[in-house]
Amino acid sequence: AQSVTQPDIHITVSEGASLELRCNYSYGATPYLFWYVQSPGQGLQLLLKYFSGDTLVQGIKGFEAEFKRSQSSFNLRKPSVHWSDAAEYFCAVGAPLGSARQLTFGSGTQLTVLP
Amino acid sequence: ETGVTQTPRHLVMGMTNKKSLKCEQHLGHNAMYWYKQSAKKPLELMFVYNFKEQTENNSVPSRFSPECPNSSHLFLHLHTLQPEDSALYLCASSQGSGGRGETQYFGPGTRLLVL
Repeated sequence: AQSVTQPDIHITVSEGASLELRCNYSYGATPYLFWYVQSPGQGLQLLLKYFSGDTLVQGIKGFEAEFKRSQSSFNLRKPSVHWSDAAEYFCAVGAPLGSARQLTFGSGTQLTVLP
Repeated sequence: ETGVTQTPRHLVMGMTNKKSLKCEQHLGHNAMYWYKQSAKKPLELMFVYNFKEQTENNSVPSRFSPECPNSSHLFLHLHTLQPEDSALYLCASSQGSGGRGETQYFGPGTRLLVL
């Protein structure tokens, strides 16, 4: 069965600083990987996704993620964090579920941005 | 705006009440999902419907009863809930083709409090 680990429960960065959120996955085949963001009281918004091809994936809001098969990682990065990026971030791996797809989520990383 | 709406956004109910959560997607998708998000726990997949047929029931107690009358609408009927069922209930939809581009889009959720 697939699994996702987000080692950092909570990260605090200053506005303008760079950010890296870690994600490690376990999956037997080629993974389909996702990053979602959740603001307080809201649903999940898709930031970016990886299916194949270029291992560096660009997403919305200036985020990017790099897939590293050798390390089973899919870390999320942003060169300069804005106060509006404060939210909870979830990494997920997708597995086939019939003709739909099952997402297995990590426990999330809460990001606090200091002024 | 992700094209997935959920009503109500907040719900308080007693353990003997019966209520229903509604989800509607405007994306032309064929697969719909219910997730439960509890504090300090990863998102849990509850049910999956694909082309109106239930394809997954992730060992959910019978006090939760899903209904999918068409590909655009998904309901979660609730009865005799327990306080531990208090959580954010998220609905999602995806194309349902199972293809490499299969991506789930989430609604804003219903915050449920069971007293």
